[in-house]
Amino acid sequence: DAKTTQPPSMDCAEGRAANLPCNHSTISGNEYVYWYRQIHSQGPQYIIHGLKNNETNEMASLIITEDRKSSTLILPHATLRDTAVYYCIVRGINTGTASKLTFGTGTRLQVTL
Amino acid sequence: GAVVSQHPSWVICKSGTSVKIECRSLDFQATTMFWYRQFPKQSLMLMATSNEGSKATYEQGVEKDKFLINHASLTLSTLTVTSAHPEDSSFYICSADDRASSYNSPLHFGNGTRLTVT
Repeated sequence: DAKTTQPPSMDCAEGRAANLPCNHSTISGNEYVYWYRQIHSQGPQYIIHGLKNNETNEMASLIITEDRKSSTLILPHATLRDTAVYYCIVRGINTGTASKLTFGTGTRLQVTL
Repeated sequence: GAVVSQHPSWVICKSGTSVKIECRSLDFQATTMFWYRQFPKQSLMLMATSNEGSKATYEQGVEKDKFLINHASLTLSTLTVTSAHPEDSSFYICSADDRASSYNSPLHFGNGTRLTVT
């Protein structure tokens, strides 16, 4: 699976949008971009994923560049409960068996008052 | 939504004993389950992949005789840490794939088990 690069940490004021970048310049055609987050001492929580189109759900938006070499996760109105480590993961998909998730170091997002 | 339950959430054991951790998919069937380990201030590291009814596939550097994985049913996988030592103290997390969902559906994670070996 392609590697990803994320800034180690970011700060965001509560109520503002948090924009978390991810670089995945070696992504290949059958690889999706997944975002998970991990709040301290809990299991990772799925946020969103996409292939090439922008995606939005109740938690966040995912913007993928046209060349698919980078993406941005947007939390539109960050709250203190969004403080977590956010992982951008590129995952190769096959239709046979489930494929694993390989976690990088992620971005530690600190939401402040 | 799909729920993965891990038990116990924390365990303390003495060096040399064995500990079993359970991972259950509560409302779906999981063909494949993945076991991860996470040390403090580090990311999750994949240990092994288990498929229902077959032997687990271990990542390089993970001792299969020390970390026994059993995936006997579509809703249960267990990880047994045998002859545990203090260096095995870690946060163990499982994840599961819903076989009925689409091929690109996300994996669902349990809330982890914190193992402390004294």
